[in-house]
Amino acid sequence: GAGVSQSPSNKVTEKGKDVELRCDPISGHTALYWYRQRLGQGLEFLIYFQGNSAPDKSGLPSDRFSAERTGESVSTLTIQRTQQEDSAVYLCASRDPTFMYYGYTFGSGTRLTVV
Amino acid sequence: EDKVVQSPLSLVVHEGDTVTLNCSYEVTNFRSLLWYKQEKKAPTFLFMLTSSGIEKKSGRLSSILDKKELSSILNITATQTGDSAIYLCAGLKKTSYDKVIFGPGTSLSVIP
Repeated sequence: GAGVSQSPSNKVTEKGKDVELRCDPISGHTALYWYRQRLGQGLEFLIYFQGNSAPDKSGLPSDRFSAERTGESVSTLTIQRTQQEDSAVYLCASRDPTFMYYGYTFGSGTRLTVV
Repeated sequence: EDKVVQSPLSLVVHEGDTVTLNCSYEVTNFRSLLWYKQEKKAPTFLFMLTSSGIEKKSGRLSSILDKKELSSILNITATQTGDSAIYLCAGLKKTSYDKVIFGPGTSLSVIP
């Protein structure tokens, strides 16, 4: 596609339920990032995927959070047993490494609300 | 721990005013500083600054990096209501991949 696609755009879930967020990067972008942005705060790094290399999971806040990506395709971020503190916008970005830092493209995000 | 700090956190100006947004960073293995504009949800890229003292310009926006002071400023001249957004500053690390540390952002509101 022309841009990074994220779904759903909005998700309201009950505390304790699991949610799955999806990111469809730009074709050919081997690098994919997940960020979290709480209301009024900056972007918080969660996880990074680069091709078939081991992902950098150092930003995942707890073991309730996990993410997967197969090759250079779609990524899913799963939050188990959601808590109200998980409410945030979850942004995905992909990058074409041949264009280095100019190549970041962000999706429009998923706004997660845990009630 | 790496961190990026921005000031002010929020700002309200009138159309036509000039604004200066500040960013300071403490990022180990620092490579570059990035500025993004965030309207609604998706940030869009503005500038990447790697060398100290070299101003980058794009229309009414300009930015410069001071590596001695570990800081950067983003200037917007003759502000317009369309400039209303959150401006994010981010530090880029020299890691095996480019890990980006974002600041909290400055929320700019331009009123007619």
